[in-house]
Amino acid sequence: DTAVSQTPKYLVTQMGNDKSIKCEQNLGHDTMYWYKQDSKKFLKIMFSYNNKELIINETVPNRFSPKSPDKAHLNLHINSLELGDSAVYFCASSRGQGARPGNTIYFGEGSWLTVV
Amino acid sequence: SQQGEEDPQALSIQEGENATMNCSYKTSINNLQWYRQNSGRGLVHLILIRSNEREKHSGRLRVTLDTSKKSSSLLITASRAADTASYFCAQGGSEKLVFGKGMKLTVNP
Repeated sequence: DTAVSQTPKYLVTQMGNDKSIKCEQNLGHDTMYWYKQDSKKFLKIMFSYNNKELIINETVPNRFSPKSPDKAHLNLHINSLELGDSAVYFCASSRGQGARPGNTIYFGEGSWLTVV
Repeated sequence: SQQGEEDPQALSIQEGENATMNCSYKTSINNLQWYRQNSGRGLVHLILIRSNEREKHSGRLRVTLDTSKKSSSLLITASRAADTASYFCAQGGSEKLVFGKGMKLTVNP
């Protein structure tokens, strides 16, 4: 029944490795997001996709590559992991684009990434 | 930075008391939203107030918005231990939601 589900929930990996986080939503939404929450709890948008098309790409290193095989899935692949990539990554979805009334954003439970 | 700020950053109260959290933001908005994040969990949408509204209620939640001061407040009345969480305000615009730093509320039983 989980609306936005992401895996894995916890990930510990060494510097330099490549890892992926998967996300799926069963809400029938058109728009999906990746947010990053750092150790100080700052939450910042990384990417947004609408119907598989990239619409928001914040200033994120190109080691981060999102992929949306269909509108229900948005995966995040990270190459050459660095210590500073340690954070919680949240997938989210909404009915459409933009942060407008009627377009509530639903978040997954988060993926805790620790780079050692 | 576009990010807003919640004030205070941490608040500890007793069950039954009211909790007020304030949020200031920097840019013009379409709406202002409040989210709750329980420890180790994702964010959950609580309430949205449009830029042309001044006050809104939902259950024990009351939100106010003052666009002239670029500020909003979230009041939780008759708090419960289950209200213990981090609360975030977020500026809603045409493109994206911009979150503030978050504020930790602890409600002691």
